[in-house]
Amino acid sequence: SQQGEEDPQALSIQEGENATMNCSYKTSINNLQWYRQNSGRGLVHLILIRSNEREKHSGRLRVTLDTSKKSSSLLITASRAADTASYFCATAFSGYSTLTFGKGTMLLVSP
Amino acid sequence: GAGVSQSPSNKVTEKGKDVELRCDPISGHTALYWYRQRLGQGLEFLIYFQGNSAPDKSGLPSDRFSAERTGESVSTLTIQRTQQEDSAVYLCASSLTGGFSNQPQHFGDGTRLSIL
Repeated sequence: SQQGEEDPQALSIQEGENATMNCSYKTSINNLQWYRQNSGRGLVHLILIRSNEREKHSGRLRVTLDTSKKSSSLLITASRAADTASYFCATAFSGYSTLTFGKGTMLLVSP
Repeated sequence: GAGVSQSPSNKVTEKGKDVELRCDPISGHTALYWYRQRLGQGLEFLIYFQGNSAPDKSGLPSDRFSAERTGESVSTLTIQRTQQEDSAVYLCASSLTGGFSNQPQHFGDGTRLSIL
């Protein structure tokens, strides 16, 4: 399967701690995107990182991409209870016109 | 509204009935996508529209599933002779352009379909 795989499947932390989620994939990509999904809602786009980029920041979010290892990580710093959600990586594989979503990491941030 | 709108938000129906799900994308977005999400799972791609045509419908699980898009706007996903395995949340997304640009997608809140 070309599907990106997130790791861990679930993560439970305390407010103020950092949360790191990883995504691995198997073939070359144009870009990789991270999305958040709150319970009962649709997905919200967080960050897009292109294959020629190594790191991007957006507020408390930091995404890295290592194309040699075919992996990406999403770091959420100083987490808040409102960060509780599922986080998905979506890969834009070269030659494909659609995104492929992983199964997600469920993050629980306790007050 | 400014976002992707889906209706109905919830649909409960009996096995064997037909259902029609509607998606209103963000105005001006040429690309539209349908996904299925089973409980606690990731997104399963169903079909992609570029304008009113569907260059990729490879994810439709069976011939009971069909979709159309008119006026480069509204799309409907139809499931005929529903089965219990069709129970899931059906999500619609749109992006400004489609194809290999793989731009960020904007999602609606989905239709939660339950087949009794």
